Amino acid sequence: DVKVTQSSRYLVKRTGEKVFLECVQDMDHENMFWYRQDPGLGLRLIYFSYDVKMKEKGDIPEGYSVSREKKERFSLILESASTNQTSMYLCASSLGSRETQYFGPGTRLLVL
Amino acid sequence: KQEVTQIPAALSVPEGENLVLNCSFTDSAIYNLQWFRQDPGKGLTSLLLIQSSQREQTSGRLNASLDKSSGRSTLYIAASQPGDSATYLCAVSLYGVFIGGSQGNLIFGKGTKLSVKP
Repeated sequence: DVKVTQSSRYLVKRTGEKVFLECVQDMDHENMFWYRQDPGLGLRLIYFSYDVKMKEKGDIPEGYSVSREKKERFSLILESASTNQTSMYLCASSLGSRETQYFGPGTRLLVL
Repeated sequence: KQEVTQIPAALSVPEGENLVLNCSFTDSAIYNLQWFRQDPGKGLTSLLLIQSSQREQTSGRLNASLDKSSGRSTLYIAASQPGDSATYLCAVSLYGVFIGGSQGNLIFGKGTKLSVKP
């Protein structure tokens, strides 16, 4: 079974802090994705990566950056957290383009 | 721009009923469509994936159909159970080439929250 894990289930941070969200998958998947999910807005793609050290912006990349130094790990970085980044963050991976995406359990981030 | 709509936003049914969840999309140039399930506070679980060349896919009590020309998909749940209570999301994968070669981006609907009462 594919397993996608995220470093924290719940996180509370202060405005202005640098925040790291980690995602690890154990199935040698090429593609990895970061989404945020907000009530009324649904899931929105922040960034994705189709290979090590490769990244592409999604629909809402502002205020975020990503890092993929190893194939199994994809990190989302909030350079200076703001209250409007309070959200549920979901990581996903897929073997190839357009194949089933497997999601992690999510990280609920609260920025005070 | 592709938009995915799911109606209704919420649905409550008694246990044992057969039910249909609806998904519509504005651009028929999709590569595939997926249905996901999300339990409260959790991640998404993939239920079914239908390729654009297919008409339907089945898994247990679930059956998903796809009509690309009309921009519609349905998820049929037979003999519903309280354990089916969750939010169901559909998502389409676009046809086309993106910068960097990744074609795996999904466009999600906002989901239908299903409650099955015992």
